[in-house]
Amino acid sequence: KNQVEQSPQSLIILEGKNCTLQCNYTVSPFSNLRWYKQDTGRGPVSLTIMTFSENTKSNGRYTATLDADTKQSSLHITASQLSDSASYICVVSAIPSSNSNSGYALNFGKGTSLLVTP
Amino acid sequence: DAGVTQSPTHLIKTRGQQVTLRCSPKSGHDTVSWYQQALGQGPQFIFQYYEEEERQRGNFPDRFSGHQFPNYSSELNVNALLLGDSALYLCASSFGTWNNEQFFGPGTRLTVL
Repeated sequence: KNQVEQSPQSLIILEGKNCTLQCNYTVSPFSNLRWYKQDTGRGPVSLTIMTFSENTKSNGRYTATLDADTKQSSLHITASQLSDSASYICVVSAIPSSNSNSGYALNFGKGTSLLVTP
Repeated sequence: DAGVTQSPTHLIKTRGQQVTLRCSPKSGHDTVSWYQQALGQGPQFIFQYYEEEERQRGNFPDRFSGHQFPNYSSELNVNALLLGDSALYLCASSFGTWNNEQFFGPGTRLTVL
């Protein structure tokens, strides 16, 4: 069964500090991995996407890493800001089977809730 | 260029009622996916529409149904509402079912009393 596990469930850090969020997955066959940022009551917004051959991808103060061998990913946030307070969701996409007429299946983690305090 | 839009923003219903949620995809997109997100949980895939047909479906009962119109907009219908249907309903659009670059709308917050 395809699963995506995120840790920690929640995190509180001081403004200006760095933090790292973790994502472990058992999705197979692997297509790509995305990190989304979701503000409370809003839709998720894509931060990064990585395919099997990529092990690092940056988007401003956000840097995602991927280890396809151990099936682990991390999202590192540098010099956190109050606006970084949100839920961060890891989404892993599986390649559909050859006998399927449907597209890629997206597997969502439950998210890590980050609170940045002054 | 308008992104994905959803209506209404908030909705309150009572048990047993029926509800219809609406979604307009991002310009140039032809595929719409619907997700249910309970409080504190990640989104759960409901179904995906392409070429006015349901192409994929998640583990949701038949009370959840949908429709896609020729202009690619979509509706999500939920019949016989249960308290457990209270959630944020997200719509995401993409170009083609085989492209998983999905853009999410702001969601509709449904509360069932």
